[in-house]
Amino acid sequence: KQEVTQIPAALSVPEGENLVLNCSFTDSAIYNLQWFRQDPGKGLTSLLLIQSSQREQTSGRLNASLDKSSGRSTLYIAASQPGDSATYLCAVRPGNTGTASKLTFGTGTRLQVTL
Amino acid sequence: DTGVSQDPRHKITKRGQNVTFRCDPISEHNRLYWYRQTLGQGPEFLTYFQNEAQLEKSRLLSDRFSAERPKGSFSTLEIQRTEQGDSAMYLCASRAPGQRGNEQFFGPGTRLTVL
Repeated sequence: KQEVTQIPAALSVPEGENLVLNCSFTDSAIYNLQWFRQDPGKGLTSLLLIQSSQREQTSGRLNASLDKSSGRSTLYIAASQPGDSATYLCAVRPGNTGTASKLTFGTGTRLQVTL
Repeated sequence: DTGVSQDPRHKITKRGQNVTFRCDPISEHNRLYWYRQTLGQGPEFLTYFQNEAQLEKSRLLSDRFSAERPKGSFSTLEIQRTEQGDSAMYLCASRAPGQRGNEQFFGPGTRLTVL
């Protein structure tokens, strides 16, 4: 059974700092990995998707990397801003095409960027 | 707005009552998912539809839960005889068919509170 872990559970940084969020998964047979942002009481916003054949994806100040063989992904946020404060979730999609392609989520990292 | 929509956004009910939630996926997305998220946790898969067919159900989906997607467009999730443990955010996601269907797009969620 796939298990996804995110460390740290919570993180507080001053504005302008670069930061890294970590995600690890136990079964390396994945199809892709998605990073999401969730504001309090809201739904999920997709940030980046990395296919299993890719090493990294970039969008603006965000960069996500994937090391499938070691079961790890990182989300790098450059020059953090207070508006980045949210919970960040990673989720993996299984590589087995016989499944529903349902996502398995980590418990998230709650980020607070202070002024 | 062409995103995934859910209705209602919030629902407060008394224990033992029945509730029904609706999800409208992105147009032409034939894959639809329901997830449940409790406080401080990542979303957990409940059930999956491809067109109108319900192809997979999680063990989390007890016999008090039923989901439908009668015409392969919108979906409903009904909970009968609600219990306090059913209090959670219920999230719907949709995905495009075939190779284009890499990313799952989530709706804003329905927050259920059972008193």
